[in-house]
Amino acid sequence: EAQVTQNPRYLITVTGKKLTVTCSQNMNHEYMSWYRQDPGLGLRQIYYSMNVEVTDKGDVPEGYKVSRKEKRNFPLILESPSPNQTSLYFCASSLVQQKTYEQYFGPGTRLTVT
Amino acid sequence: GQNIDQPTEMTATEGAIVQINCTYQTSGFNGLFWYQQHAGEAPTFLSYNVLDGLEEKGRFSSFLSRSKGYSYLLLKELQMKDSASYLCAALTGGGNKLTFGTGTQLKVEL
Repeated sequence: EAQVTQNPRYLITVTGKKLTVTCSQNMNHEYMSWYRQDPGLGLRQIYYSMNVEVTDKGDVPEGYKVSRKEKRNFPLILESPSPNQTSLYFCASSLVQQKTYEQYFGPGTRLTVT
Repeated sequence: GQNIDQPTEMTATEGAIVQINCTYQTSGFNGLFWYQQHAGEAPTFLSYNVLDGLEEKGRFSSFLSRSKGYSYLLLKELQMKDSASYLCAALTGGGNKLTFGTGTQLKVEL
C-alpha cells in the first residue's frame, strides 16, 4: 500500500531533550516536506527536500533540522525542543516529475513539549 | 510574501450546495490545491487547478481565476460526512513551496 508513515504518532517530552520524528514514504517520491499545524494558523511549511541531499527552508524553520540521506526517509530533528514547538506535525511527499505536485500526507505526530 | 484568505466557518444543509471561496496573493504562482481535513486526521487531496476554469470531479468542483487571484470549491449534494475543514493552498516557488490558508470549517446540518 502506497503511504507516508510517521513515528511516533504521539510524543510528550520536556524542554531541551533532543528528539527525532521519522518520516518514510514507499512511493519513490522525490519531494518531501514537513509542516506544523496550529489552531488559527493553519499548516505552515518547516522544511522541504527536492531530492536526496537537497533540503531548503520553508516558512518556519527556526528550531528544526532535517536530513535527506535516502530518498524514502526525511526525519525532522528538534535539537532543543521548547514549549512553542508543541504542535501537530505532518510529513508529506509528492512525485515532482508528474507535474501535478499532489502531496500525500502522513497521519501526523502530536508533540507536546512541557 | 504569500497571503491566502478563506472564510473561517460555514454552515450548510444536507443535500444543498455550498461554495467555499479562496483569494490569494502570491509570487511565482504555479497552481491552487484544495484539501479536505477531518478533525485530527491528515489532509487529503481534493483538486488541483493550474489553468483558469472549472474542474469537476464527482460532487466536488474547483474553479480558478489566475488574473483575479481567486478560487472556489463547490460541493454539491452535501452529506453529513462532508463536515470537515477545507484547506486552500497555493503552489509557488517553481513548485517547491505549498502555502496554506487557515482553512474553512464546514458544518453540514440536517
